[in-house]
Amino acid sequence: DGGITQSPKYLFRKEGQNVTLSCEQNLNHDAMYWYRQDPGQGLRLIYYSQIVNDFQKGDIAEGYSVSREKKESFPLTVTSAQKNPTAFYLCASSPPGLAGIRHTQYFGPGTRLTVL
Amino acid sequence: GQNIDQPTEMTATEGAIVQINCTYQTSGFNGLFWYQQHAGEAPTFLSYNVLDGLEEKGRFSSFLSRSKGYSYLLLKELQMKDSASYLCAVRVFTGGGNKLTFGTGTQLKVEL
Repeated sequence: DGGITQSPKYLFRKEGQNVTLSCEQNLNHDAMYWYRQDPGQGLRLIYYSQIVNDFQKGDIAEGYSVSREKKESFPLTVTSAQKNPTAFYLCASSPPGLAGIRHTQYFGPGTRLTVL
Repeated sequence: GQNIDQPTEMTATEGAIVQINCTYQTSGFNGLFWYQQHAGEAPTFLSYNVLDGLEEKGRFSSFLSRSKGYSYLLLKELQMKDSASYLCAVRVFTGGGNKLTFGTGTQLKVEL
């Protein structure tokens, strides 16, 4: 089945450690996105990538890094510089193009990161 | 920047109709989306509007007025499983491609 996978579902790390969250899709989508969600909040965009080997900062990129070496994969690293990393992290992807309902974003199941 | 407002929470009765409003201020508007999100899960796509008017999809309808920066999601024949957060999101086109900006979500509670 085609879809977006994120692993693990729950992740615990000690303060000061970097951690990488995985996001893989087999939908042949060009664009991929990382969001962060805090309790009672909407989604905030961290980074996004429209094509392989290219990515752009979102609204809250500080303390995060990404890579896009393959179309299927868009890993997110939460670095020790991120002051409040505990949150629910969601990855999404969308088909190529710029407009229209076809270019809806579809979300993976999310990873809940807790930094102790 | 983008600014999206929607009520924080609403309560409605099973079988009733509820309307969730969303107002936005943005540049580069390229569509408005509604997503449903159950607690601890990923958002799922409900509806999309880019032109003014009403889009109907079963028990769910969504309306857009671009001149007023206003949208609503209408849920009919409410069921208990409709208890969830409903996220309004505006897509804007930037030099780097499309971006979605989300409102904080409206927590809907459906009661018997």
